[in-house]
Amino acid sequence: QVQLQQWGAGLLRPSETLSLTCAVYGGSFSGYYWNWIRQPPGKGLDWIGEINHRGVTKYKPSLESRVTISVDTSKNQFSLRVSSVTAADTAMYYCARTNSGGSFGDFYYYMDVWAKGTTVTVSS
Amino acid sequence: SSELTQDPAVSVALGQTVRITCQGDRLKNYYASWYQQKPGQAPVLVIYGKNKRPSGIPARFSGSSSGNTASLTITGAQAEDEGDYYCHCRDSSVYLPVVFGAGTKVTVL
Repeated sequence: QVQLQQWGAGLLRPSETLSLTCAVYGGSFSGYYWNWIRQPPGKGLDWIGEINHRGVTKYKPSLESRVTISVDTSKNQFSLRVSSVTAADTAMYYCARTNSGGSFGDFYYYMDVWAKGTTVTVSS
Repeated sequence: SSELTQDPAVSVALGQTVRITCQGDRLKNYYASWYQQKPGQAPVLVIYGKNKRPSGIPARFSGSSSGNTASLTITGAQAEDEGDYYCHCRDSSVYLPVVFGAGTKVTVL
């Protein structure tokens, strides 16, 4: 059974860089997309970006200038960096796996494995 | 604003049926997936594809799709079904490939 375990600093000052890592245990790293999602207090889920095992990334356009997602296939890990953080970046951060299925004309994606999350607070 | 639109909140009497909807243009080409989130917990996948349930999700959860609208139905709602429900869709061909709806809070009365 695939499990995701994430870690990283939980308290940052404004202008610092947020850094989180997510490790994949018990399953293949290839053939999936690996995501970072955040959830500000009391609000909904906000997709940050994704990466595949080849290192191909896609980011939310409004965050792209500050976000880097990278992968280390030798360790089955992927990481998130968000530069120049502000209070608006305060949120619970989750890593999750995107799986897929179906066939042409009937294709679908879904996030079937999630980590427990890391609370990140940005405060001076 | 979210590219997937959900009603903010719905309520349902214990044992009755509730339908949650999600609207968006990308749903014309891709199925939505649905997630349940309870306070202090990570989201859990409940429906994906054309009405598929992951192992461990009760059969009272079902999904459907028509045009630009996806629906999640809970038939015979239980107290433990109370929580927030989010729809999600991935379309790699557009500038924002992954979106979530804003969420629907389900209250079981």
